[in-house]
Amino acid sequence: SQQGEEDPQALSIQEGENATMNCSYKTSINNLQWYRQNSGRGLVHLILIRSNEREKHSGRLRVTLDTSKKSSSLLITASRAADTASYFCAIRANMEYGNKLVFGAGTILRVKS
Amino acid sequence: GAGVSQSPSNKVTEKGKDVELRCDPISGHTALYWYRQSLGQGLEFLIYFQGNSAPDKSGLPSDRFSAERTGGSVSTLTIQRTQQEDSAVYLCASSWAASGGGGDTQYFGPGTRLTVL
Repeated sequence: SQQGEEDPQALSIQEGENATMNCSYKTSINNLQWYRQNSGRGLVHLILIRSNEREKHSGRLRVTLDTSKKSSSLLITASRAADTASYFCAIRANMEYGNKLVFGAGTILRVKS
Repeated sequence: GAGVSQSPSNKVTEKGKDVELRCDPISGHTALYWYRQSLGQGLEFLIYFQGNSAPDKSGLPSDRFSAERTGGSVSTLTIQRTQQEDSAVYLCASSWAASGGGGDTQYFGPGTRLTVL
């Protein structure tokens, strides 16, 4: 089963609004990563946050990590129509899963212009 | 610079036929991954190669699936006697390392959409 679980499954917002997606997991992790996927093809890496980090920023993206709650959130501020995509979290947990990323089922974000 | 490339981009085959999917990783990347993504689903790990180490095949769904990585570069995923449930997008990714550190970022190819009739 997928260990990274995103919610909501789908999110529809107006351009300019903020979008928040959450990811929960069940084991101790080395890092957690967020990826974006357009049109069901290749994924693009957005941010990697290590287990000893609590927050990272990249442009309009803000990722938080709470290892005590085993959860992470991805915030996209001032959303644009071009942000419409599926967003996946992925965890690396070497002790549990070895050398592979375990992906969640994703959140489908639709930004309406 | 060149990213990860995959071929073919689309493959339609008949049930029972064998297919080969190819992945060209980014030059210098030691780690290579294959994933499968069914419609509207997340990514399902299939197999992982790291340098000269034995591959992690723990995600291969059956013995009809196999993969090779020749010379530490190009990889081929082979599906024998394809079934309709094999229909999915097959994604390849490569990275500098699989250490859990900063070199862990995976770079994905555009995928091969496989349709088994």
